[in-house]
Amino acid sequence: DIVMTQSPTSMSISVGDRVTMNCKASQNVGSNVDWYQQKTGQSLKLLIYKPSNRYTGAPDRFTGSGSGTDFTFTISNMQAEDLAVYYCMQSKSYPWTFGGGTKLELK
Amino acid sequence: QVQLKESGPGLVQPSETLSLTCTVSGFSLTSYSVHWVRQHSGKSLEWMGRMWSDGHTSYNSAFTSRLSISRDTSKSQVFLKMNSLQTEDTGTYYCARSFYRSDGYAMDAWGQGTSVTVSS
Repeated sequence: DIVMTQSPTSMSISVGDRVTMNCKASQNVGSNVDWYQQKTGQSLKLLIYKPSNRYTGAPDRFTGSGSGTDFTFTISNMQAEDLAVYYCMQSKSYPWTFGGGTKLELK
Repeated sequence: QVQLKESGPGLVQPSETLSLTCTVSGFSLTSYSVHWVRQHSGKSLEWMGRMWSDGHTSYNSAFTSRLSISRDTSKSQVFLKMNSLQTEDTGTYYCARSFYRSDGYAMDAWGQGTSVTVSS
């Protein structure tokens, strides 16, 4: 199985910060990486797919980039409503696999 | 409006069979795939399997021997059955729809999840 390693596991941030998190695949997944947001007690929400396309309704402060094994997710201007856990996921090959998540907390 | 909603027993005895239902609305099961994903309380996520729009299935090999996914298109429902449950199967089970774009699939709509506890 492809292992997706996310870093950091948590970040303490302030509103207005630029936030960058990473996801590294254990083998080449091409561009087949998506980013999901999960707020406390809620389900997952697709933000970015394949790996730089913003999904319908996702604010433009969310961006994704990368290819092959290294991927980055950025929030350009952190808002309070962005406090959540963010997951990357590869869909290059079965089984689809998720990273362990990056949790954003207020400083 | 696209919606998915999971339902199930909540509590299952060890060694017994889990049966979950995902009821969808706002789209057709013959046009989109539906996936099952579970999340352990420690937040890790596992993709379990998929019901394709044409009715065939794909499974995570970690579950193949005990997992079955089926559907009833007339009722817009997808079913998950998993036998020989153990305590490590405790978690929240989600169903999600995937769409095809940019040469790949992504899960763009998710149910609220249903919590399953395996305990005697």
